[in-house]
Amino acid sequence: GAGVSQTPSNKVTEKGKYVELRCDPISGHTALYWYRQSLGQGPEFLIYFQGTGAADDSGLPNDRFFAVRPEGSVSTLKIQRTERGDSAVYLCASSSTEGKTQYFGPGTRLLVL
Amino acid sequence: DAKTTQPPSMDCAEGRAANLPCNHSTISGNEYVYWYRQIHSQGPQYIIHGLKNNETNEMASLIITEDRKSSTLILPHATLRDTAVYYCIVTPGRRALTFGSGTRLQVQP
Repeated sequence: GAGVSQTPSNKVTEKGKYVELRCDPISGHTALYWYRQSLGQGPEFLIYFQGTGAADDSGLPNDRFFAVRPEGSVSTLKIQRTERGDSAVYLCASSSTEGKTQYFGPGTRLLVL
Repeated sequence: DAKTTQPPSMDCAEGRAANLPCNHSTISGNEYVYWYRQIHSQGPQYIIHGLKNNETNEMASLIITEDRKSSTLILPHATLRDTAVYYCIVTPGRRALTFGSGTRLQVQP
């Protein structure tokens, strides 16, 4: 079946701009996670949704970052006033429910110039 | 979540078994051992997980010591496509995964 998909695969933006990154989880998966991976590092947790609600947003670095999942399926990660340090690969994962195996998408490579 | 320690890099000859070790001496009774790998420029790929017993699937085998303080991921016949960073993660399976630096496995022809 279809895995987790993320769009766009690459995004180049200028410092100060607003960006949205989209994640389509595996159909039927209720849990959705966002991670960020900087060059040469392992992925770092950002936020986790169970259904429509953000169950844990402790990994969001500051209030420029926000994520939504209004219908409990697709999620959008929003970054305001982007900074060069936001450049990274943003990964999305989903699991059938909380605590089950997470399956990752291919990621969105964000470059802030 | 318990910390894990993995060697930064390993080499393996194509066709041979790759044995990737992981130490997790502070693991708690309710924590699982998960293995993921990340091939260059791709998202992490789930490989296998276990709690106490050894596990095997079509990709790999996971051997967990009796005291659960360490484990070994075994790729029985490594191919060039197995070249990747392998992450050992210990988690109670609640929410976020905590990735370390992993082991960079290079399969040599």
